[in-house]
Amino acid sequence: GDSVTQMEGPVTLSEEAFLTINCTYTATGYPSLFWYVQYPGEGLQLLLKATKADDKGSNKGFEATYRKETTSFHLEKGSVQVSDSAVYFCALSDRITGGGNKLTFGTGTQLKVEL
Amino acid sequence: EPEVTQTPSHQVTQMGQEVILRCVPISNHLYFYWYRQILGQKVEFLVSFYNNEISEKSEIFDDQFSVERPDGSNFTLKIRSTKLEDSAMYFCASRGGLAGGYNEQFFGPGTRLTVL
Repeated sequence: GDSVTQMEGPVTLSEEAFLTINCTYTATGYPSLFWYVQYPGEGLQLLLKATKADDKGSNKGFEATYRKETTSFHLEKGSVQVSDSAVYFCALSDRITGGGNKLTFGTGTQLKVEL
Repeated sequence: EPEVTQTPSHQVTQMGQEVILRCVPISNHLYFYWYRQILGQKVEFLVSFYNNEISEKSEIFDDQFSVERPDGSNFTLKIRSTKLEDSAMYFCASRGGLAGGYNEQFFGPGTRLTVL
């Protein structure tokens, strides 16, 4: 079945450091890929998405490129801020539309950004 | 901004008891989901619901689980006889139903269920 593997945390960085959180996936078809973020006490929020190979999703300075050849969707940000401290989840969906559209998640990576 | 809400935020129950977790999805959404996350593990899909019936469910969603949309606004997850291993954070999500393209799933803040 479908699966997502992401690097374990916590990841601790200084403000303005470069961030990479690795994510790889296994899927039988051509999934859509997502990064969700969870701030303390809140629900999961969609951060960015990519629906086909070589697409780059971007939002709030974060980027991730859908790499079919390496089955990866690594999250990057050039300069993190304290406010980026959160848990980041990589996920895939095996269908774009349709009745199911369930998400398959990774375990989440906690990011702590310090001054 | 519309949001998904869940109650309670934390539920403590004794093993074997029934629990009902409640969710209020975004009002014009058509698809509804439950996920759970056992501490330290992955967020796992439980069930999706559309047009007043289950559209997909996982192996986790056995006969002890049921979902209902009783009044057109609430979306509930019932666990009939809780087990220790049901202790987890339960997330509700909803999605609009526009044709074509991807419709984002919006998540609630979760209910932490502790089974003693």
